[in-house]
Amino acid sequence: AQSVTQLDSQVPVFEEAPVELRCNYSSSVSVYLFWYVQYPNQGLQLLLKYLSGSTLVESINGFEAEFNKSQTSFHLRKPSVHISDTAEYFCAVCSGNTPLVFGKGTRLSVIA
Amino acid sequence: KAGVTQTPRYLIKTRGQQVTLSCSPISGHRSVSWYQQTPGQGLQFLFEYFSETQRNKGNFPGRFSGRQFSNSRSEMNVSTLELGDSALYLCASSLQPQETQYFGPGTRLLVL
Repeated sequence: AQSVTQLDSQVPVFEEAPVELRCNYSSSVSVYLFWYVQYPNQGLQLLLKYLSGSTLVESINGFEAEFNKSQTSFHLRKPSVHISDTAEYFCAVCSGNTPLVFGKGTRLSVIA
Repeated sequence: KAGVTQTPRYLIKTRGQQVTLSCSPISGHRSVSWYQQTPGQGLQFLFEYFSETQRNKGNFPGRFSGRQFSNSRSEMNVSTLELGDSALYLCASSLQPQETQYFGPGTRLLVL
């Protein structure tokens, strides 16, 4: 069975500082990996995804994530955060015929 | 293109009642999945439908059921509501199963 571990439940960071949100997964087969963001009182929005090809994937708002197969990780990074990045971030994995499995989420709080 | 829409957005019910939630996928999307989100359990998969057939089902009691119509719209029903059913219910659609899922804003259900 697949599982996703988001190692930090809360991450406070000052505005314009870099941030890394950690995600590790377990699966015995090839996987597809996703990061979703949830703003207060909203649904989930797709931030970025790894399906195949380049292990480094980027979003349009400056986030990037790197698929590391040997470490079974898919950490999310941003070199300089904004107040508007305050939200909850979810890492998710699926493979084969299995449904999407989510981590517990990481609440990113950007402090002015 | 319009996104995933869910109705109603908010719902208050009492224990023992039943509820039906509706989801309209993105135009052209034929796969619909449902998730329950609670502070304690996080995001949990309920079921997935494709071409009016249930492909996958999560670990929820039989009180939770769903269906998909020929136009890909989906409904989920919860009978004999319990206090613990209070949650945000999220619907996601994709072109095909195993493809990237796009989420609606959710229906927030409160059971009193």
